[in-house]
Amino acid sequence: QKEVEQNSGPLSVPEGAIASLNCTYSDRGSQSFFWYRQYSGKSPELIMSIYSNGDKEDGRFTAQLNKASQYVSLLIRDSQPSDSATYLCAVNIQTSYDKVIFGPGTSLSVIP
Amino acid sequence: DVKVTQSSRYLVKRTGEKVFLECVQDMDHENMFWYRQDPGLGLRLIYFSYDVKMKEKGDIPEGYSVSREKKERFSLILESASTNQTSMYLCASSPSPGQGIGGELFFGEGSRLTVL
Repeated sequence: QKEVEQNSGPLSVPEGAIASLNCTYSDRGSQSFFWYRQYSGKSPELIMSIYSNGDKEDGRFTAQLNKASQYVSLLIRDSQPSDSATYLCAVNIQTSYDKVIFGPGTSLSVIP
Repeated sequence: DVKVTQSSRYLVKRTGEKVFLECVQDMDHENMFWYRQDPGLGLRLIYFSYDVKMKEKGDIPEGYSVSREKKERFSLILESASTNQTSMYLCASSPSPGQGIGGELFFGEGSRLTVL
């Protein structure tokens, strides 16, 4: 079983719609969770981090965490063509040190 | 701003050659990571290091080794390159919990390695 899984995509949404990206993880002891955005040909960049159950909002982005269900999501409101990218879910499987594992990513296309 | 620099953006090597990929970060981060990224497989962790001379295997360490002699530099070594090691290699650093948010990674631009 993969440690971090994401909805396979690709996901297409019209401009202005809400894009919903989902992620599940297997290590119940994980404490910190991240969403990275990766444009084609570029390196991943961090867009959201979340550590506590509930929602965390930053501009058009909302991360949601449910540790009991081992589920993390990212909502992008008012989607823009510039949001078209691959979104990577990452989990810090902390033991004595940080070990960050990524999901396979979900490709998002925002259609003008 | 954190800067993570990978020494080579593109490399072409032959099967059996020894390959060195260098990564340097300028933020005094304690943690450094090497991933490879392949289509459909996402980022897979090869090795990571949480201190000078300390290293831990990731999920796919076979065929690779690493070196961290100085805090700012983390090198990935392919002892004898094979065609299945053709990939994009990404280096990242992150602060320790005492420095910042552990697990927040800053990536270099990547090194695309082709093994013929």
